[in-house]
Amino acid sequence: KQEVTQIPAALSVPEGENLVLNCSFTDSAIYNLQWFRQDPGKGLTSLLLIQSSQREQTSGRLNASLDKSSGRSTLYIAASQPGDSATYLCAVGDDKIIFGKGTRLHILP
Amino acid sequence: DAGVIQSPRHEVTEMGQEVTLRCKPISGHNSLFWYRQTMMRGLELLIYFNNNVPIDDSGMPEDRFSAKMPNASFSTLKIQPSEPRDSAVYFCASSFIAGDRFSGGELFFGEGSRLTVL
Repeated sequence: KQEVTQIPAALSVPEGENLVLNCSFTDSAIYNLQWFRQDPGKGLTSLLLIQSSQREQTSGRLNASLDKSSGRSTLYIAASQPGDSATYLCAVGDDKIIFGKGTRLHILP
Repeated sequence: DAGVIQSPRHEVTEMGQEVTLRCKPISGHNSLFWYRQTMMRGLELLIYFNNNVPIDDSGMPEDRFSAKMPNASFSTLKIQPSEPRDSAVYFCASSFIAGDRFSGGELFFGEGSRLTVL
């Protein structure tokens, strides 16, 4: 059974810093991995989708990497801003789409 | 372009009442997912449909929950009778999936339906 873990559960960093969020999964036989952002009281917004054949995807200040063999993905956020404060979730797609519980990120002005 | 549309956004009901949540997926998407989110358990997949057919309903908590997708543009999640422990945010998401595997589908979520059962 696929399990997705995100550590830490919460993170606070000063504005302007680069940061890395982690996602690990137990079964490497996945089709894709997706990173989402969720603001309080809102739905999830897709940030990046990495297919199993890819190693990374980039969008603006965001870069996501995927290492299937080790069961890990990272989301790198460059030059963090207060507007980046949100909960970030990763989701692994195999026969189902399974979510981690997220990392709650707070950027300090 | 309209995203995934859910209704109602908020629902407060009393224990024992029937609750119906509605979802309109993005036009052209062929897969639809119902998730439930709570603080304790995070996002749980309840059921998903591909081409209007239920593929996996193993996440549906019990017989009180049922879901239908009568056509490509509409789905319902029904709880009858509702209980306080059903209180959560229910999300609908849609995607386009080639074949029967998640070989490329990006998932798009609605804003959710917040259910409170008193």
